[in-house]
Order: sequence, then structure tokens, then C-alpha cells
Amino acid sequence: GAVVSQHPSRVICKSGTSVKIECRSLDFQATTMFWYRQFPKQSLMLMATSNEGSKATYEQGVEKDKFLINHASLTLSTLTVTSAHPEDSSFYICSARALFGQGTFFGQGTRLTVV
Amino acid sequence: AQSVTQLDSQVPVFEEAPVELRCNYSSSVSVYLFWYVQYPNQGLQLLLKYLSGSTLVKGINGFEAEFNKSQSSFHLRKPSVHISDTAEYFCAVSDGSLGSQGNLIFGKGTKLSVKP
Repeated sequence: GAVVSQHPSRVICKSGTSVKIECRSLDFQATTMFWYRQFPKQSLMLMATSNEGSKATYEQGVEKDKFLINHASLTLSTLTVTSAHPEDSSFYICSARALFGQGTFFGQGTRLTVV
Repeated sequence: AQSVTQLDSQVPVFEEAPVELRCNYSSSVSVYLFWYVQYPNQGLQLLLKYLSGSTLVKGINGFEAEFNKSQSSFHLRKPSVHISDTAEYFCAVSDGSLGSQGNLIFGKGTKLSVKP
């Protein structure tokens, strides 16, 4: 079945540094990838929609200069949390919509802790 | 470890008919349960969630789900569907344990197709 690999699964970084999270579709092409954030004990919040070769569309209230999204190919999207602060600590998860309508598949998620 | 099984990958149904999308989960700890909907070319939207309390949870767009602990199920229902309900539906579980970031485990999704 279709697999979405998200890397790293866990990361701890110092306040003020930047962290890059990769979302890769391993055996299918995805024109659209979605990035979500989940706060403890809460549901997912859509952060942005990423389309290959174009700028990401950010949801209201999400700072695009802080959460940089790049979707350079049909199999890879990256989310960079710039100048991370402790309040950015969260669980980030991506999903990829297959090009030929096979469905949407989720990565394993990345647990970010900013200290 | 937790897992979520959505028993039907596709569910075709006629407009105004009732529908049930099935979700079973396995977990050794208490869980929070969620149903999300994804319309074509859009991100996920939360339909409803079960955290605690009443086992019958009502969500948006006329959907409801019932948490059945003995059967480890959280099936989603709607008494009368509309064409606009055509979408993919995801069931998810979170352990929400103290100190956890509450990472979600998703089912593989069920495509609901409502026909006129």
C-alpha cells in the first residue's frame, strides 16, 4: 500500500534554532500535501496546503514566515519551523493526496520539543 | 501500540439514505477518538470527537458517532445523506496520556459516495 514517510519522528531543538521536517511519498506521486499540527489532547489543526511547484496556502492565523513550506517535487514536501520557541512544541503530521485518486495517506508524525 | 481499522474502504449510498461508517480501534490505554472529513482537494476537517462523558457524540453536518468501549468501536452515522457529503472520512485515535503530545493514529479512510 501507499506509504508516506515523515522524518524525523522526534526532534528536540534549542530555542532560536530552525528545524526541518520532511514528508515523502514513497511509492506514489502526490500533487498536494497537507501539514497539520496537534496540540496535546486536541484534534488536528490544518496549517497549510502544499501544491507541487507553487506556493503553499496557509490557514488563517498560521505565520507563513515562521512555518516555511517547500514542495519541490511530486514526492517531497518540507516544513521548516524557523526560530523555534517552546510554544512551537507540538506534534506535526503531514498527509499526501495521491495524484491518481488512490486516496490520502498520512505520515507517522513528528514530535517537536523546543527547549 | 494503538491501531485503527476502518472496515470499508468505499461506501456508495443513495441520497437521503442512512449511512454508517465503521471504525474499530485497539489500545491498551484510554483513548480519545476522532472523525475527520476530507472533501476533494481540501485538508481535513474535524467532524466530531469523543474525549469523555456521553458515549453518543454529535458533530457537524448532522453526523454522530457512538463510542462503544466493549466493542472498541466508534462508528459514524448519519440518518440521511446529501450529495455534498461525498468525501473521504478518517477515524483517528489518540492516547492523550499525561505528558504526551497526543499523537494521532489514523485509519486508512472510507470514501463515501452519495448518488442521486
